Amino acid sequence: GAVVSQHPSWVICKSGTSVKIECRSLDFQATTMFWYRQFPKQSLMLMATSNEGSKATYEQGVEKDKFLINHASLTLSTLTVTSAHPEDSSFYICSASPSWPVSDAFFGQGTRLTVV
Amino acid sequence: KQEVTQIPAALSVPEGENLVLNCSFTDSAIYNLQWFRQDPGKGLTSLLLIQSSQREQTSGRLNASLDKSSGRSTLYIAASQPGDSATYLCAVPTQGGSEKLVFGKGTKLTVNP
Repeated sequence: GAVVSQHPSWVICKSGTSVKIECRSLDFQATTMFWYRQFPKQSLMLMATSNEGSKATYEQGVEKDKFLINHASLTLSTLTVTSAHPEDSSFYICSASPSWPVSDAFFGQGTRLTVV
Repeated sequence: KQEVTQIPAALSVPEGENLVLNCSFTDSAIYNLQWFRQDPGKGLTSLLLIQSSQREQTSGRLNASLDKSSGRSTLYIAASQPGDSATYLCAVPTQGGSEKLVFGKGTKLTVNP
């Protein structure tokens, strides 16, 4: 099946620094990728839609200047958490589909971000 | 606004038991419904995808059903094994055939040897 790789799997950073998370589709091209966030014991919540070659679309309540998304190619999207704070500590996970609309959604392994 | 609810939040069963996980959604105009498995600290593994025109899908010991009109889906796991222990999530598109998914909070399943 299709493989989505996410890196790093976990990261600890100091408050005020920035962290970049990569999401790659290994064996298919994805013009669209999605970034989700999951707080403990909560649902995965969609943060933004990453569009190759254009600006990302953010969900209501998600700060676009804080969560920078770059979809540089058809196989790579990055999420940068800028000026991270402890409340940004969460599980971030990306997804992509090799085809639309009839397709499974494939997810990366997720990134556990801890801001200290 | 689509909302997804999963019941129960947690379930503990002895090995070998058959079990049912429940998922309900508020907007029945869905294109499909997907069940995922999430292991602790890990990503999601897609288990079953049911199209809106289908009533059920089967994969090995897993069977998922879909009743669009009532806004419900069930995931049936037969002859449960300790390796089935994980959190099971169901998700539906936010609208139409959108790839954006709305997730339930999941059911944490523990299968005891």
